[in-house]
Amino acid sequence: GAVVSQHPSWVICKSGTSVKIECRSLDFQATTMFWYRQFPKQSLMLMATSNEGSKATYEQGVEKDKFLINHASLTLSTLTVTSAHPEDSSFYICSAKFLGETQYFGPGTRLLVL
Amino acid sequence: SQKIEQNSEALNIQEGKTATLTCNYTNYSPAYLQWYRQDPGRGPVFLLLIRENEKEKRKERLKVTFDTTLKQSLFHITASQPADSATYLCALVEDTGGFKTIFGAGTRLFVKA
Repeated sequence: GAVVSQHPSWVICKSGTSVKIECRSLDFQATTMFWYRQFPKQSLMLMATSNEGSKATYEQGVEKDKFLINHASLTLSTLTVTSAHPEDSSFYICSAKFLGETQYFGPGTRLLVL
Repeated sequence: SQKIEQNSEALNIQEGKTATLTCNYTNYSPAYLQWYRQDPGRGPVFLLLIRENEKEKRKERLKVTFDTTLKQSLFHITASQPADSATYLCALVEDTGGFKTIFGAGTRLFVKA
């Protein structure tokens, strides 16, 4: 149980375009979803926390107008990287939590902006 | 400043031996601490959670200790196998009104057959 999926698993786009990443909890309803970014050989950095039906809470230094998060239902959250630039290239990982303390992570989405 | 540190160098051990990974933290007061496994290009997979009032937790070949005085957690894999080769992430969780998880950079473990 506790499976989280992400789509797409990888994406290549041109600079200036927007990219949407989906995160779904497949077999449970997630009260909270998280979005992380991970650069090579570095730790996961929390970008934002989202609860269904409310606005996401962004971490310091993360531009909310650039990284749009929508948590429309208890099983789906989306992250849209608007006007992507090469420095946004990274590994984006979502996680979901249903009561309790454990976060269940998706497999990640690798974004490459050319 | 706040820091969470794991061995930055890779750990190489022989199959069958016990692997011990270290996680040290500074200027945090975690409510609990978690260990995750991450394979290349994949998301982390939860392994164990240990609370601030617990000294030790076990699950099959895994053991975690938590010393709040030393501000350190140790993660042990006994009878290690090549399939245990991965990066292991330490994550501490603080209760700051909401629970916030902070990850270490991870330690890469290689188990040689």
